[in-house]
Amino acid sequence: SAVISQKPSRDICQRGTSLTIQCQVDSQVTMMFWYRQQPGQSLTLIATANQGSEATYESGFVIDKFPISRPNLTFSTLTVSNMSPEDSSIYLCSAQGANYEQYFGPGTRLTVT
Amino acid sequence: QKEVEQDPGPLSVPEGAIVSLNCTYSNSAFQYFMWYRQYSRKGPELLMYTYSSGNKEDGRFTAQVDKSSKYISLFIRDSQPSDSATYLCAMSLYNTDKLIFGTGTRLQVFP
Repeated sequence: SAVISQKPSRDICQRGTSLTIQCQVDSQVTMMFWYRQQPGQSLTLIATANQGSEATYESGFVIDKFPISRPNLTFSTLTVSNMSPEDSSIYLCSAQGANYEQYFGPGTRLTVT
Repeated sequence: QKEVEQDPGPLSVPEGAIVSLNCTYSNSAFQYFMWYRQYSRKGPELLMYTYSSGNKEDGRFTAQVDKSSKYISLFIRDSQPSDSATYLCAMSLYNTDKLIFGTGTRLQVFP
């Protein structure tokens, strides 16, 4: 299994600012993903973080709002740009294991005021 | 109709009970099936994953997949108060594809 850490664990941000969330995996993985979990809801995929190329975004999510970097096989960042209160959520990264299962980080709890 | 349906609960059972958690899905092309446990204010923890129809057992947990009925289950034997959490089913079409999650079932096991 993969062990995943995220920074920061939580943050309170002002409207209009940006926050970058870091995700570190303890081993090299091919596939990394970013999800959002809104209060009381299930997880929704934002994008697949591709190493060496642009991220692949799901319908309803755009690169200008959620730019993603994947500089190597163990690390990725997600930026939430020009934040509004509607962006208040938990942001989770995941990594795919050898049998195509996914392991999740502890999440970043974001509150936008 | 949602792609994956899951009873939100809450489900409340006494310690030692057998718990059955279920999900139904609409897309017969789903191939990979997973169950996650999520404690409050924590990330989802992978409990079980399976590729094909049939049963898979790990300790007190058994995952069951019935592709003909588009139905998956997670059974918890000898449930403990520490099992109190939200349980999420998830599935994907291909081995590199995104996971589609159910809405989660909140389980409470009381002593």
